[in-house]
Amino acid sequence: DVKVTQSSRYLVKRTGEKVFLECVQDMDHENMFWYRQDPGLGLRLIYFSYDVKMKEKGDIPEGYSVSREKKERFSLILESASTNQTSMYLCASSFPGGTAKNIQYFGAGTRLSVL
Amino acid sequence: EDKVVQSPLSLVVHEGDTVTLNCSYEVTNFRSLLWYKQEKKAPTFLFMLTSSGIEKKSGRLSSILDKKELFSILNITATQTGDSAVYLCAVEAGGTSYGKLTFGQGTILTVHP
Repeated sequence: DVKVTQSSRYLVKRTGEKVFLECVQDMDHENMFWYRQDPGLGLRLIYFSYDVKMKEKGDIPEGYSVSREKKERFSLILESASTNQTSMYLCASSFPGGTAKNIQYFGAGTRLSVL
Repeated sequence: EDKVVQSPLSLVVHEGDTVTLNCSYEVTNFRSLLWYKQEKKAPTFLFMLTSSGIEKKSGRLSSILDKKELFSILNITATQTGDSAVYLCAVEAGGTSYGKLTFGQGTILTVHP
C-alpha cells in the first residue's frame, strides 16, 4: 500500500513565524502535491512537483514556497505565517504511468492554526 | 480556468437509502475523472473514469461518466452509517502528464441509523 506521511496532524503557530510542513512518500512517486482544504472551497492546489528540484505553482501559491531536495520528500514553507493561512493542509503523491496512472494518494493532513 | 462543481453540497439520509452524488465539469482537454471518499483523515481513492458510459462498480458504490454532457454521478445503494464522509470529485485535464487535479467543493454525506 502507498503510504504518504505528514509530519504533524495538528500545529499551532503565531503570526509571522516561519512554518515547515513535511511530507514523505514511500512509493518512489515522481509527482507530489500540496493542497489546502477549507469548508465550502474544496481542495485547492498550492504547489506541485514532478521531479526532484522541480516545482510548479498551483492555483493559490501566494504566501507559500516549496522544496523538493529528495524524491520522497516534499516540504511546504510558510515564510511568514498569517491568520488567513489557518487551514487543513493535505499532501499527495502520484505516479505518471502504469495502471494507477495519476491516481493521487493522500496523507492524513495537517491542521494548522495561526494565532 | 478549469472548473468542477459538485451537488448537493450536503445530504442527510437514513440507513438503507440510495443516494446519488453529482459532479459536473468544464475543463480544457479532459483526461480523467476521479472520486475520493474522505472521512476524518486522508481522502481515499474510489474510482477513476476515462471513458464515457462505462460504469465502475465496487460493492454498493458505482459511478458513471457522461463525456458529452460533462458530468459524472456516484451512486451508493443501501447506505450504512460508515458511508458518512465527504465525497470529492476531481478532474485531470490539460496538456501535461503531471497528473494535476482540479477538485470540486465536495459533498458531505451523513447517514443516520
